[in-house]
Amino acid sequence: QKEVEQNSGPLSVPEGAIASLNCTYSDRVSQSFFWYRQYSGKSPELIMSIYSNGDKEDGRFTAQLNKASQYVSLLIRDSQPSDSATYLCAVGYTGGFKTIFGAGTRLFVKA
Amino acid sequence: EPEVTQTPSHQVTQMGQEVILRCVPISNHLYFYWYRQILGQKVEFLVSFYNNEISEKSEIFDDQFSVERPDGSNFTLKIRSTKLEDSAMYFCAGDRGNNEQFFGPGTRLTVL
Repeated sequence: QKEVEQNSGPLSVPEGAIASLNCTYSDRVSQSFFWYRQYSGKSPELIMSIYSNGDKEDGRFTAQLNKASQYVSLLIRDSQPSDSATYLCAVGYTGGFKTIFGAGTRLFVKA
Repeated sequence: EPEVTQTPSHQVTQMGQEVILRCVPISNHLYFYWYRQILGQKVEFLVSFYNNEISEKSEIFDDQFSVERPDGSNFTLKIRSTKLEDSAMYFCAGDRGNNEQFFGPGTRLTVL
């Protein structure tokens, strides 16, 4: 059974701080890793993808992947109240035909 | 910017009735997916579809579910005999083959 685990939170950070979100996955053959943002009542929106070990930066977001530890993280720098949402970690498998989502971490950024 | 669209936005049906949820993916996408999200729970993979056939399906996607792409643009999910526990948000998604999926806004299905 392929599993993706996230701390459900809520994670509360002050405006301007760094928010750190973590995710672990169970299946070593996982090949692609994603972070989605989901506002309440809305659909998931892709914010980051990462495929190889190390860091990937895009604006205020940095995704980190460690395949040996089966660990993915997302850092949000200079957090804004508009970043308040649920962040979903997702893991894709060989062939890209199946993606498993974690339950999500709720993030609150306090103004 | 192109978007995935889904209709209807909200569907109310009686238990045992058939429903068809419709999606129009982004035109250059090749892989298509259906997910469901029960209120307050995680996004659950139902099925993936490529080259006009199912690529993979989850254990949730049993015989009451079917998918098709009838006209090369629409992508549909049919639930043959709805149950109370089918009440959820159903999301359609697509990608170009890199698994970076774009989601539609969802259809809220309420089974009474």
